[in-house]
Amino acid sequence: DQQVKQNSPSLSVQEGRISILNCDYTNSMFDYFLWYKKYPAEGPTFLISISSIKDKNEDGRFTVFLNKSAKHLSLHIVPSQPGDSAVYFCAASAMDSNYQLIWGAGTKLIIKP
Amino acid sequence: SAVISQKPSRDICQRGTSLTIQCQVDSQVTMMFWYRQQPGQSLTLIATANQGSEATYESGFVIDKFPISRPNLTFSTLTVSNMSPEDSSIYLCSVVGKATNEKLFFGSGTQLSVL
Repeated sequence: DQQVKQNSPSLSVQEGRISILNCDYTNSMFDYFLWYKKYPAEGPTFLISISSIKDKNEDGRFTVFLNKSAKHLSLHIVPSQPGDSAVYFCAASAMDSNYQLIWGAGTKLIIKP
Repeated sequence: SAVISQKPSRDICQRGTSLTIQCQVDSQVTMMFWYRQQPGQSLTLIATANQGSEATYESGFVIDKFPISRPNLTFSTLTVSNMSPEDSSIYLCSVVGKATNEKLFFGSGTQLSVL
């Protein structure tokens, strides 16, 4: 049973446009959500996170939105740049989970020139 | 953030052999983890490497298949034993990030292919 789902294996976006990556979860005990970015032959790197007490967190070109009632979060990248081409992983954790994260399968973002 | 050196970065191995992956961190860290990412799938936690004691394995992973050592607070090894093609994956070492909101920081991973 996948508790964190990223239903789009890949997404192609024109450079300069907005990229929207989606993530759904099933466990209502999750209270902290993170996005990681992964380039080929590298480990995932932390991008942005959001606590369940918020519905939005912004960091430069990256904004994460959380809809708790729908158990849905999304990552917006605007404007999209060629260097944003990577695999993006959504991850979730529950309080007192001892740093154990539940991961989605990832979405490969391709930014077209 | 911690700097993690993971070796080897990739390897191609024969069925039935074993491979030991090393993870070196540039600072002392309390918590160190080993993850696996099978092709096209999410990251799955194999175990928590405990300093000076046996690792804590997640459901579906056993010590005989994935022995782990953690002799000190900066180093750990993961061995993939008696390999089969199903073990072909990316294996990742990770530590808890220093920033309060970072959770986990990862090494560059080991791409393992088993023939």
